Amino acid sequence: ETGVTQSPTHLIKTRGQQVTLRCSSQSGHNTVSWYQQALGQGPQFIFQYYREEENGRGNFPPRFSGLQFPNYSSELNVNALELDDSALYLCASSNRGGGYTFGSGTRLTVV
Amino acid sequence: AQKVTQAQTEISVVEKEDVTLDCVYETRDTTYYLFWYKQPPSGELVFLIRRNSFDEQNEISGRYSWNFQKSTSSFNFTITASQVVDSAVYFCALSEGSDSNYQLIWGAGTKLIIKP
Repeated sequence: ETGVTQSPTHLIKTRGQQVTLRCSSQSGHNTVSWYQQALGQGPQFIFQYYREEENGRGNFPPRFSGLQFPNYSSELNVNALELDDSALYLCASSNRGGGYTFGSGTRLTVV
Repeated sequence: AQKVTQAQTEISVVEKEDVTLDCVYETRDTTYYLFWYKQPPSGELVFLIRRNSFDEQNEISGRYSWNFQKSTSSFNFTITASQVVDSAVYFCALSEGSDSNYQLIWGAGTKLIIKP
């Protein structure tokens, strides 16, 4: 059973650019959630996808968008990057009634 | 509004000491889930425990134990005979409603340092 895989592990982008982060969910999981974790803080919920549909969204602007594919993998897209978007982005997969399995995250630095 | 408070920003103890990490939560829901996660320097969040609001039994797993008290809205975590490998940031989290996989609301975390 493979776990959750995120790519890339580290990324440096310039303010104003766009970025795409990728997540492969654990085998058998149909739900993917994305969290942003700023340095020294707890994670903040961005959104969740269940069977390719957005299933809830946290307090993030529309320039944060996502997709879930038929194989339940997912992408997080961020447009018009700002310096405050610098953070660890965590992906977690799950099934209804089960628990989250988190990936190791993508460390995004915006300069 | 829902909220999770971990008042201890950082705790430092010597190996083999017992240590308790505090967690206080706020919610208006009668059905909810509480979690503890460990985050080592590698960044991955490691699941430790999930407890639903209807189960107030204390839990023990090896050197780890959890004390859930609805009367004080607390879900504290104790490590007995701490080891250097326990050094990490520990997060308490809350999920409201009957779906424990929905949005998790996280505390700010407690950084635990175990000195040899």
